[in-house]
Amino acid sequence: DSGVTQTPKHLITATGQRVTLRCSPRSGDLSVYWYQQSLDQGLQFLIQYYNGEERAKGNILERFSAQQFPDLHSELNLSSLELGDSALYFCASSPSQGAVTEAFFGQGTRLTVV
Amino acid sequence: AQKVTQAQTEISVVEKEDVTLDCVYETRDTTYYLFWYKQPPSGELVFLIRRNSFDEQNEISGRYSWNFQKSTSSFNFTITASQVVDSAVYFCALSEGTSGTYKYIFGTGTRLKVLA
Repeated sequence: DSGVTQTPKHLITATGQRVTLRCSPRSGDLSVYWYQQSLDQGLQFLIQYYNGEERAKGNILERFSAQQFPDLHSELNLSSLELGDSALYFCASSPSQGAVTEAFFGQGTRLTVV
Repeated sequence: AQKVTQAQTEISVVEKEDVTLDCVYETRDTTYYLFWYKQPPSGELVFLIRRNSFDEQNEISGRYSWNFQKSTSSFNFTITASQVVDSAVYFCALSEGTSGTYKYIFGTGTRLKVLA
């Protein structure tokens, strides 16, 4: 058990809908990273938050947004969903501001858009 | 630009064989970090090892060993006497700061199948 909790584990929704994925980092970790894993794209970095502030942005679509709350949990919001958004979404946490220590990953949320 | 290449898409071995997973990285930074993660069929990503660019010592942990060579920009991973439980996708990752912030850049992974 990595100590990172993601909910829900599975999500099935229709095109055009909006969903929220939730992540609770390991106790003491201030950084939260979001990654998307699809079959043809591998693990793609979406966004990082550190202690409530956005720290780095990757290939995150404008339809996607995230935030980190004062209790350090994070949410990834995906809207106007398309079939191509179907993927495994991972959250990872680490204690450091930059990716200089290992990150610990949650079990992922498998999103299926139908 | 930073990049990680895992040229082996899939490898199949018979149990008890040794297997090496290759990882080649690109970076212009002198300070960087390398990682290996394992993704078993259950789907979670499990951290295996972290190495910084100033430490070229090879590391052994049980049946696992890692060979870091800056001269060839490689960070290869060897499993000795493979077991069926080693079947998984293995990812190599790089972190460096030339983009202004450190973030993990993953390779495309190598799927290892260990046959009984």
